[in-house]
Amino acid sequence: QQPVQSPQAVILREGEDAVINCSSSKALYSVHWYRQKHGEAPVFLMILLKGGEQKGHEKISASFNEKKQQSSLYLTASQLSYSGTYFCGTEKITGGGNKLTFGTGTQLKVEL
Amino acid sequence: EAQVTQNPRYLITVTGKKLTVTCSQNMNHEYMSWYRQDPGLGLRQIYYSMNVEVTDKGDVPEGYKVSRKEKRNFPLILESPSPNQTSLYFCASFTRDRAYEQYFGPGTRLTVT
Repeated sequence: QQPVQSPQAVILREGEDAVINCSSSKALYSVHWYRQKHGEAPVFLMILLKGGEQKGHEKISASFNEKKQQSSLYLTASQLSYSGTYFCGTEKITGGGNKLTFGTGTQLKVEL
Repeated sequence: EAQVTQNPRYLITVTGKKLTVTCSQNMNHEYMSWYRQDPGLGLRQIYYSMNVEVTDKGDVPEGYKVSRKEKRNFPLILESPSPNQTSLYFCASFTRDRAYEQYFGPGTRLTVT
């Protein structure tokens, strides 16, 4: 079952902040966040692991509430380059490796 | 340069003609995956692998096969392609050793007529 992302789309003025949420109904090992620009491959932003560890880009922040199986991505002082589609991916560990299920994405547009 | 390569980048084929999309990574990553991306559905994992000879089904494995005989390569095989497999395909790899960063290949746009 895909995680649910909200909002589906958001338009910001440069310099404004935004929060993108990701919610899952299943117990998770980790949550990944990616950004994809039109015509390009997704680019890794951050991973939040069960237990509180986080790894990712310095200018991106996120949270992971393990009890609620929810994660939020915080984009502060947005820049034009932040425009794109943001995906969360929820990860479960199986015998074969890492099963990753992505949400349907949040389209973010930053305008002058 | 750390990268994941896919070939071909674009492919138009006919129903039933077997094809293979190759994927290779130069980072010695143990984990590799295949995804398909369709409008409105996001990225969906087809198959994944945690090392040589260890693979498992993702959310949409029907109609696809994979193999992991070498650590760096993870080909995607469509034995009998159908029009509903027309999609944009991404291969990806990562390791848990350090940054956990998953790298995606540039994508393969497949059209099955």
